[in-house]
Amino acid sequence: DSGVTQTPKHLITATGQRVTLRCSPRSGDLSVYWYQQSLDQGLQFLIQYYNGEERAKGNILERFSAQQFPDLHSELNLSSLELGDSALYFCASSATGTITDTQYFGPGTRLTVL
Amino acid sequence: DQQVKQNSPSLSVQEGRISILNCDYTNSMFDYFLWYKKYPAEGPTFLISISSIKDKNEDGRFTVFLNKSAKHLSLHIVPSQPGDSAVYFCAASAIGAGSYQLTFGKGTKLSVIP
Repeated sequence: DSGVTQTPKHLITATGQRVTLRCSPRSGDLSVYWYQQSLDQGLQFLIQYYNGEERAKGNILERFSAQQFPDLHSELNLSSLELGDSALYFCASSATGTITDTQYFGPGTRLTVL
Repeated sequence: DQQVKQNSPSLSVQEGRISILNCDYTNSMFDYFLWYKKYPAEGPTFLISISSIKDKNEDGRFTVFLNKSAKHLSLHIVPSQPGDSAVYFCAASAIGAGSYQLTFGKGTKLSVIP
């Protein structure tokens, strides 16, 4: 158990809908990362937050947005969903948000868009 | 354009033998490399890392080798154990360029046969 929790575990929805994925980092970690893993793809970095502020942005679509709240949990919002958004979404956390700081991953949320 | 490539989708090794997982990268700015291990239904777990100032890093049964001129790194597991059966992801970052982002390969599924 990495100490990172993600809810829900599974989500099935329809095209055009909007969903929210939630992540609670390990106790004491200030930084949260979001990744997407599509079928046969490696993990694609989406976005990083550190202590409530956006720190780095990767291949995140404009239809997607995220935020980190004062209690340090984070939410990833996916809107106008398309079939191609079906993927595993992982959240990770680290203490300081630097690359050499170990990232601890949650178990992921599997999103299926029908 | 895939900047981190793991060209072998799968690898089978006998228990007790050496497992060698390979990773190639194209971005010459990458200067920090990591390996993650992932079991089914779990998030990736950090295994070992190496900075470009080194060519080898060891941690117990796991050794990572870096060949900068060839833009190649490898993970050696000796001896391999059935519990090592998992998907292994190689990742890289360009710390010197100020990156906070990890770029992952697609993974290699290792099966250790008892």
